[in-house]
Amino acid sequence: EPEVTQTPSHQVTQMGQEVILRCVPISNHLYFYWYRQILGQKVEFLVSFYNNEISEKSEIFDDQFSVERPDGSNFTLKIRSTKLEDSAMYFCASSEALHGHYSPLHFGNGTRLTVT
Amino acid sequence: DQQVKQNSPSLSVQEGRISILNCDYTNSMFDYFLWYKKYPAEGPTFLISISSIKDKNEDGRFTVFLNKSAKHLSLHIVPSQPGDSAVYFCAASRMNRDDKIIFGKGTRLHILP
Repeated sequence: EPEVTQTPSHQVTQMGQEVILRCVPISNHLYFYWYRQILGQKVEFLVSFYNNEISEKSEIFDDQFSVERPDGSNFTLKIRSTKLEDSAMYFCASSEALHGHYSPLHFGNGTRLTVT
Repeated sequence: DQQVKQNSPSLSVQEGRISILNCDYTNSMFDYFLWYKKYPAEGPTFLISISSIKDKNEDGRFTVFLNKSAKHLSLHIVPSQPGDSAVYFCAASRMNRDDKIIFGKGTRLHILP
């Protein structure tokens, strides 16, 4: 069964550094997402992406965050200047329909970001 | 602002018995509800969903019940198996508005031998 793949599985970075989290969504999916989960908290929506542009973003997704689909397969999340509170598990997801309605979200295994 | 609440952080159930995971929501405009299951070091995987026009949806051992007046849904797993040990996330959205999915904090289910 096709799956969403994320790299790296764990990223450690110093505060203020830039990080890029990478994802390869399922090839025939049209909608792409980033979610994050701070330890012990809920899974939070960050951004959705469709047709090469952001379709929706949460208040968490401020100017320090950006997403890109640089080629036909990769989908990246960049954090420009990391803060301690950015430490979380970041999940990429993709779906055939917007927000997984009628067609569920498929999540990757996540990238654990640790900011020191 | 917790629109989707899972008030039990963990639950232990004997193998073979019924597991009941509960979820409450505050937004009466939600019309689509889902359960996702998550194993350690993996992403959430979709389990079952229910539209607000129904009050029950069944898929094998998994049944989701929706009580709109109480703004409550539950996931029943029967019989519970060791492989069901995982974190279960309740989620909700407004499908008629193409709105994003809001997740709860999750309930960790332990199936005891």
